[in-house]
Amino acid sequence: GDSVTQMEGPVTLSEEAFLTINCTYTATGYPSLFWYVQYPGEGLQLLLKATKADDKGSNKGFEATYRKETTSFHLEKGSVQVSDSAVYFCALRTSGNTGKLIFGQGTTLQVKP
Amino acid sequence: DAGVIQSPRHEVTEMGQEVTLRCKPISGHDYLFWYRQTMMRGLELLIYFNNNVPIDDSGMPEDRFSAKMPNASFSTLKIQPSEPRDSAVYFCASSIRDSNTQYFGPGTRLTVL
Repeated sequence: GDSVTQMEGPVTLSEEAFLTINCTYTATGYPSLFWYVQYPGEGLQLLLKATKADDKGSNKGFEATYRKETTSFHLEKGSVQVSDSAVYFCALRTSGNTGKLIFGQGTTLQVKP
Repeated sequence: DAGVIQSPRHEVTEMGQEVTLRCKPISGHDYLFWYRQTMMRGLELLIYFNNNVPIDDSGMPEDRFSAKMPNASFSTLKIQPSEPRDSAVYFCASSIRDSNTQYFGPGTRLTVL
C-alpha cells in the first residue's frame, strides 16, 4: 500500500544552520506531496505542497522538490531559527480523489540559539 | 473564518466513562477527518466523512469507538467505555474535495485515568 517514510528525529541544530529532513514515499500513480508542521500545543498546518513531478513547493524559507525518479520530497531550509522548532510531517495524497492523506511518522526539529 | 473548532480542549476522565469529542469543520468543507496522535503510534487516521457520510472507518481501533456527522457543521467522536490506552490527542480536520489541503483543529487532549 501507499506509505511515507521520514528520517527519525529528533534533529537538533544551532540557529542559522542548514536543515534537511528526508522523506521518501511509495505510491501508485501520481500522488500529491505535502509538508505539514505542528508547533507545540497546536494542530498541524500546511507548510508547502507539490502536485506533480519536478514541482518545487516553498513557504517561509522552506523548500521541497518533488522527485519522481527517487520518490522523494526532502524538506530544506538554508538558515533555521529557534522559532522553526516543531514537528514536521511529510504526507501524500494518492491520485484517486478520496481526499485522504497518508502521513509519515513526523520528525522533531529542535533549534538552539 | 474561525477555522476548525474542537471541544473540549482538554478532557480528563476515569476508565469506564463515556467520552464525547466534538468538531465543527470550516464552513463549506465537505470532507471531515478524525485523527489520533500518540508518542508510540504517531498520527493515525481514525475515520473520515464526505458530505456527512462515513467513507473509511478502517482506522477505528475497536467497537468502543464511534463517530457521527449528523450535519455538515458538526461531528462527534465517542469512546464508550474509555480505557487508559485511549489517552492521546485527537484532531479533527476538514477540507474541500478539490483542494489538497486539510485544515486541522487545535486538538483535544484526552487523559483516561
